Amino acid sequence: EAGVTQFPSHSVIEKGQTVTLRCDPISGHDNLYWYRRVMGKEIKFLLHFVKESKQDESGMPNNRFLAERTGGTYSTLKVQPAELEDSGVYFCASSQDTAGWKSGYTFGSGTRLTVV
Amino acid sequence: LAKTTQPISMDSYEGQEVNITCSHNNIATNDYITWYQQFPSQGPRFIIQGYKTKVTNEVASLFIPADRKSSTLSLPRVSLSDTAVYYCLVVFDYKLSFGAGTTVTVRA
Repeated sequence: EAGVTQFPSHSVIEKGQTVTLRCDPISGHDNLYWYRRVMGKEIKFLLHFVKESKQDESGMPNNRFLAERTGGTYSTLKVQPAELEDSGVYFCASSQDTAGWKSGYTFGSGTRLTVV
Repeated sequence: LAKTTQPISMDSYEGQEVNITCSHNNIATNDYITWYQQFPSQGPRFIIQGYKTKVTNEVASLFIPADRKSSTLSLPRVSLSDTAVYYCLVVFDYKLSFGAGTTVTVRA
């Protein structure tokens, strides 16, 4: 089965621009999660979708970040306008059910975002 | 969230066993202990999870003493391809909290 797919793998944008990251979870996985590692920091939780609904967005840093999952399939994470401190690696993970953490998540390879 | 402490780095040689110990003194009753592996330019990859005693799978073993205040990930007979960052997490729901991890370097 295909894993979690993220694209682009790399993105370099200027401060103030908009960037949209995409995540395609494993087919049939209702639960989708976004995490990120900003430079020099640890991987942190951003938000959790169950199908198309946001279950928990407590980790979203501010209102410049907008996540969507229309139709409950792929998800997008838009950063608008991007700031220098948004640079980092954004990971997506998915699981079939909410208790997927018990058997481990499948993570994508991440999108490396560089804001210059 | 229970805080975890693990060594920053470890060096080993091919064919050796690598043991990484993680401390989690304030682990709660409902918490599980989970280990992930991460290679450069890839996302974290689940290795093993346990609650108490010993868990073994095709990749590693996880030893958890009765008080659960620490755990040890054991990688048998490592190869060069096992060079990676290994994260010890204490989890009880979907919000994984990654620390700095242990960078394991395997040399020929």
